[in-house]
Amino acid sequence: GENVEQHPSTLSVQEGDSAVIKCTYSDSASNYFPWYKQELGKGPQLIIDIRSNVGEKKDQRIAVTLNKTAKHFSLHITETQPEDSAVYFCAALRPGNTPLVFGKGTRLSVIA
Amino acid sequence: EPEVTQTPSHQVTQMGQEVILRCVPISNHLYFYWYRQILGQKVEFLVSFYNNEISEKSEIFDDQFSVERPDGSNFTLKIRSTKLEDSAMYFCASSGTVYEQYFGPGTRLTVT
Repeated sequence: GENVEQHPSTLSVQEGDSAVIKCTYSDSASNYFPWYKQELGKGPQLIIDIRSNVGEKKDQRIAVTLNKTAKHFSLHITETQPEDSAVYFCAALRPGNTPLVFGKGTRLSVIA
Repeated sequence: EPEVTQTPSHQVTQMGQEVILRCVPISNHLYFYWYRQILGQKVEFLVSFYNNEISEKSEIFDDQFSVERPDGSNFTLKIRSTKLEDSAMYFCASSGTVYEQYFGPGTRLTVT
């Protein structure tokens, strides 16, 4: 089955700096890669996603890149703000009605 | 903006008791999921539900678990005889397209 590895497990950045979180997946059939932000005591919130027919997608300060050959994808947050502090999870999905497979999460702390 | 809702937010129960966790998915979504997250760990898939039947289930989803869509809006997860290791956050998710899955705020289940 699919396995998703996520690094780093914790990340601290100064406000205004960029943050990058990386994930690798094992199943080459996976074709959808969402990123979720989870704040304390809340459910995962979908913030951006990318499908396998696209190499990069951007939404304001957030971007995701995908390298299908290497089977890895990354989340990039620019101009970080204290409210970006949260746990970020990457996930992968195979075609069909299949479950999301999550990485272990990255705790991002943005220091003001 | 439509959102997934879950009740209760926190459930405390004694070992061996039955619990029912309730979810109201986003209306017009067709795919429904339950995930769980043990404190500090990654989100794990339990079961997916489509067209009034289970599509897929994980090894966690044993005979003690069941799901039901009793009417057009609710989606429930029942644990028949809770164990200490069932203590976790339980998240319901729904999707209209199989891809984007939207999560509820979760129910914290504490088994004593």
